[in-house]
Amino acid sequence: QKEVEQNSGPLSVPEGAIASLNCTYSDRGSQSFFWYRQYSGKSPELIMFIYSNGDKEDGRFTAQLNKASQYVSLLIRDSQPSDSATYLCAVNISDDYKLSFGAGTTVTVRA
Amino acid sequence: SAVISQKPSRDICQRGTSLTIQCQVDSQVTMMFWYRQQPGQSLTLIATANQGSEATYESGFVIDKFPISRPNLTFSTLTVSNMSPEDSSIYLCSVSEGLNTEAFFGQGTRLTVV
Repeated sequence: QKEVEQNSGPLSVPEGAIASLNCTYSDRGSQSFFWYRQYSGKSPELIMFIYSNGDKEDGRFTAQLNKASQYVSLLIRDSQPSDSATYLCAVNISDDYKLSFGAGTTVTVRA
Repeated sequence: SAVISQKPSRDICQRGTSLTIQCQVDSQVTMMFWYRQQPGQSLTLIATANQGSEATYESGFVIDKFPISRPNLTFSTLTVSNMSPEDSSIYLCSVSEGLNTEAFFGQGTRLTVV
């Protein structure tokens, strides 16, 4: 079983819609969760992190964490063409400094 | 967040040769990592660069192929040795401040082996 799994893409949404990205993880002891955005040909950039159960909002982005279900999601509201990128879910493996990355979900926002 | 400078940004190398990639951070950081990202794939951790001691390698990666140095808290190098076309990939330097903290990435080095 992979440590971090993301819903398969690609995901295509119309401009202005909500893009919903999902991620599950296998290590029940994981404490911190991150979402990175990676544009084609560029390195990953951090967009959100979440440590506690519930929702965390930052502008048009909302991260949701449910540790009991070992599930973390990212919602992108009012999607814009500039949101077209690959989104990577990353999880801190418990008691370790390393991050484990999911395979990524490619999002395309149609104008 | 720290400013991470990675160079070269890209290179085309002959098979059998070696390339050393440098990662310079503008402030002292606790943790430095090296990742590989093959075309269309996610990030795979190669190793954790330890200051003043041997790097800690992940399964499938060995020191002879990917020697790593970290002489201080702001600088690290990754060498890709005896390259083959299968080593063609993007190599990324990453830093973090420790447990349960976010990681930041350098610009990456796009390596093509011919």
